Amino acid sequence: DTAVSQTPKYLVTQMGNDKSIKCEQNLGHDTMYWYKQDSKKFLKIMFSYNNKELIINETVPNRFSPKSPDKAHLNLHINSLELGDSAVYFCASSQDRVAGELFFGEGSRLTVL
Amino acid sequence: GQQLNQSPQSMFIQEGEDVSMNCTSSSIFNTWLWYKQDPGEGPVLLIALYKAGELTSNGRLTAQFGITRKDSFLNISASIPSDVGIYFCAGWGGSQGNLIFGKGTKLSVKP
Repeated sequence: DTAVSQTPKYLVTQMGNDKSIKCEQNLGHDTMYWYKQDSKKFLKIMFSYNNKELIINETVPNRFSPKSPDKAHLNLHINSLELGDSAVYFCASSQDRVAGELFFGEGSRLTVL
Repeated sequence: GQQLNQSPQSMFIQEGEDVSMNCTSSSIFNTWLWYKQDPGEGPVLLIALYKAGELTSNGRLTAQFGITRKDSFLNISASIPSDVGIYFCAGWGGSQGNLIFGKGTKLSVKP
């Protein structure tokens, strides 16, 4: 069983559309994250949730909205997609907020045309 | 915000050679970590360091947490083709309160 799984793995869509990426972890972790990796491979945190509560919300356009229905799931919804949103989005989880030991999913490659 | 300066940006080496990469910051961290990302995959944790001066090994990998808490290095001995990938340093516990990643070192190994 995959510890942190994301769907879909690939997503190609037109500008202006709305799309969602789902994430589930079966590790029993309390904290989940969304990271964005750009074309230069730079990893930047977008959101962090601890027990369904938003902890970190970096400077991200409000077109991006995370939703955590329970502590095992953290979904990312993106409205009005723009060309610059094209990137690989990684979900991750950790046992707690300290120490930085994250388990990452395989990533979801979003391409906006 | 805080930034980590990771170097080198890329390395092309022959199989069997040793590799060294490092990460520096202008501010201190409580934890330094090293991750590896294979193509098409998410980053995977290799080594975590929790104390200044700590030296930790994981197989052919050795990493150290700098005494000043502002730097760390990763060494890979006797490289093999499956070492290919992007290596990221990361710092935890700085002023921003979350995990900050370096820009990565892309390693290519020639058989």
